[in-house]
Order: sequence, then structure tokens, then C-alpha cells
Amino acid sequence: DAGVIQSPRHEVTEMGQEVTLRCKPISGHDYLFWYRQTMMRGLELLIYFNNNVPIDDSGMPEDRFSAKMPNASFSTLKIQPSEPRDSAVYFCASSSGGGADGNQPQHFGDGTRLSIL
Amino acid sequence: DAKTTQPNSMESNEEEPVHLPCNHSTISGTDYIHWYRQLPSQGPEYVIHGLTSNVNNRMASLAIAEDRKSSTLILHRATLRDAAVYYCILRDHNTDKLIFGTGTRLQVFP
Repeated sequence: DAGVIQSPRHEVTEMGQEVTLRCKPISGHDYLFWYRQTMMRGLELLIYFNNNVPIDDSGMPEDRFSAKMPNASFSTLKIQPSEPRDSAVYFCASSSGGGADGNQPQHFGDGTRLSIL
Repeated sequence: DAKTTQPNSMESNEEEPVHLPCNHSTISGTDYIHWYRQLPSQGPEYVIHGLTSNVNNRMASLAIAEDRKSSTLILHRATLRDAAVYYCILRDHNTDKLIFGTGTRLQVFP
């Protein structure tokens, strides 16, 4: 079975540029999560969707960040304009059934390593 | 969100059992105990979860204290591939969110 697919795996760009990260969740999963991992702050939840609808975006750092899920098989995380402090590894995860009984595991992609110069 | 406390690092030799502790003294009755691990250069990977009773699966065992204020992840025979950061997470059954702490970095020596 194909897992969560993220692209690109690595992105290097100059500050001020727009960055778009992409995620394809596991087919049939109705929850999608975006995380960011840095040495200083660890793994942080940015936003998550249920049935393509954003449920909680309280972790999104500021207005420069936006996320969309136009359909059940695709999501994007966009940073515009990018800044050096946005450099991190960004993970996408998906799960089925959500937390109704606290049991559904999240399946993570391999991440996108983003470097803003 | 209820917090967990884990040692920063642990070491083990290959083929020996490993017991990874987690303290969660403020756990509530609706919190499930989840364990994930993150291998180098990969995303986190689900390991196991439980509520009150001990749990076993193909990857590990989870021993939960009777008062639920602590738990232990048990790897029965560590392999080099088990070297990773192990995260103990409390997840309320009413939420879909996982709040990751700093985890325990496990080193496995041949």
C-alpha cells in the first residue's frame, strides 16, 4: 500500500519567495494533518482537516502560512513570503476515523526539508 | 493537554530487552496513551496505544500502571533498526490532535 506521499523531499529557496508543499494522503483516510519539526521547537501541529474541511488551524504561525485541501487526495501548505525562520522539516500525516475513540493512528510521510536562505 | 515526562536518552545492546518509561501523573480518565517513534530522516511511526490494560502487538508491548500515572514501552529484543526517538503521547478521545513532547532517544549498540 502506498503511504502518505509528500513532495518535494527537499526545497531550497531564497527568502521572500513563495513555497508550496504538497501532500497526498492514504486513500480512504478522512483526516489530514500538517506538522513542522525544528530542533528548537520539536514537532508541532500546524493545522488539520477532516473531510477536506479545516478543523483546527491554531498552530499556524502567522498569516504567511496557508493550507488547502481541494479534494480528498491532495493538500497544500503554502508560505508566502518565506523567511529564514521557516526553515524546518514539514510533515504531512493522515488517519481514518479521527479521534472518536482515541484509537486511530496517524500515518506520516517522509517530510519535506525546507531551507530558506 | 496532559503532559508526559520521558528520559532524554537511553542505551541498549542489540538483542536485549528495552524498557522505555513515561510518566503522566496528570492523565485524565479519557486520555489514551500512544507511542510513536521516529527513525532518522523519517516521519514518526505509530507503535502502540492503550487505555488501561497492557497491550501487545508485533512491534512492542505497553505496560500501564494500575493508577495510569505511568507506562512503559517494552521492546522485547532490540535491533539496530530500533534506534530512534520514542514519543509517549496522551491523546484525549475527544480530540484528533497529537501533542508531541521531546521523546527519548534510544541508542542500540551491536
